Parts: sequence; structure tokens; C-alpha cells
Amino acid sequence: DAKTTQPNSMESNEEEPVHLPCNHSTISGTDYIHWYRQLPSQGPEYVIHGLTSNVNNRMASLAIAEDRKSSTLILHRATLRDAAVYYCSRRGNMLTFGGGTRLMVKP
Amino acid sequence: EAQVTQNPRYLITVTGKKLTVTCSQNMNHEYMSWYRQDPGLGLRQIYYSMNVEVTDKGDVPEGYKVSRKEKRNFPLILESPSPNQTSLYFCASSLSASGDYNEQFFGPGTRLTVL
Repeated sequence: DAKTTQPNSMESNEEEPVHLPCNHSTISGTDYIHWYRQLPSQGPEYVIHGLTSNVNNRMASLAIAEDRKSSTLILHRATLRDAAVYYCSRRGNMLTFGGGTRLMVKP
Repeated sequence: EAQVTQNPRYLITVTGKKLTVTCSQNMNHEYMSWYRQDPGLGLRQIYYSMNVEVTDKGDVPEGYKVSRKEKRNFPLILESPSPNQTSLYFCASSLSASGDYNEQFFGPGTRLTVL
């Protein structure tokens, strides 16, 4: 059974980089890796996605292992507004979410 | 403004009373889907639609129906709701399912309580 696993929670200091890991060891070769985040009382919000190569956008960077069995979401400078639950997911015809990592940011 | 809208946002109902949660998107997206979110179980996909008149089951389709008669709308139907369908429901859409333009845009959620 394909699973996507993430640590339950992580903590960071404000203005420091954060590396959020995800394990997707059984991902299909054609599935994209997507990351979403969810703020309290809101729907999930798209952050970034990739297939094989590392990706950067205005919100974050995504580092994908060469064997695609894991990936890491990188927030370069965490702010208090980045405190949320971050979901790693596999995107084929369906979108299958991991359990999410609750990121706490300390001032 | 590009968005996914859901109605109602909150609903309390009783077991067995048929209900429909509407979902609409204004981005001309081909792909639409429904999810439920439960404590300890996370986000799980109920149904999805690759395009008009094309729907497929997700991971937890039992007790739900959907239809996709037009591109912008994807209603979720509970013919006979039961208490175990009490949950937070999200609708989402994306330009497509495949390729690089498949990031999903989520609605604000519908909190359903079935008594």
C-alpha cells in the first residue's frame, strides 16, 4: 500500500530556514510530488510541486531525491505567517495526502 | 477573482435526509474533486472528475454521489447521510490532472454535522 509519511510536528525560529521532510518510497514514476499548506479554518493552499528536478518559486523550494523516494520542502526564512500544517502529497489522477507536519514558528 | 466556492459553509442535518453540497469554479478547470478531512485520518479524496460527464471514485466514495454536467459545477450528494459522514468537506479544481499544470485550488470548506 503506497504511503506518504511526514513527521507530525516541527519547530523553527523566525527568520531561520526550515526543512520539512517527506517520505514517498513507493511513488509511481509518473506521479508528481505536491506540497500544500493549511492555515487554521481554511482550505489547503498550493505551495509547490515537482516531478524529478528541484523547483523554486516565490513561496518555497522543493528538493527531490534522485530516486524520488523522498523530498524536502524548504522555507528559506520562516515567518510567523508560515505557521501551518504542511502536507506532502502524490499527484496522479488522484491527490493522496500524507498526514501533514504542523510547523510552529517561534519569534 | 479566481476561486472555488462551496455552499453551504455550515450544515447540520439529521440521519437519512438527502442533501447536496454545491461546488463551483470560475477558472475553466477540467479537473474537480471532493475531499473530506477528519481528525486523525487527514485529507482523503472522495470522488474526482477529469472532465464533463467523467467521474471516478477516490479512496472513500461509499455513501456519496457526484455529477459533472457542466464544467464549472461539481455537486456532492449524500442520498442518506449518516453520523459517520460528519466531517469537513473540501472541493478543489485544477487545470488538468496530468502534466505540469495540475496544482489544485481548494474551496473554503463545508462543515457538515449529521445527527
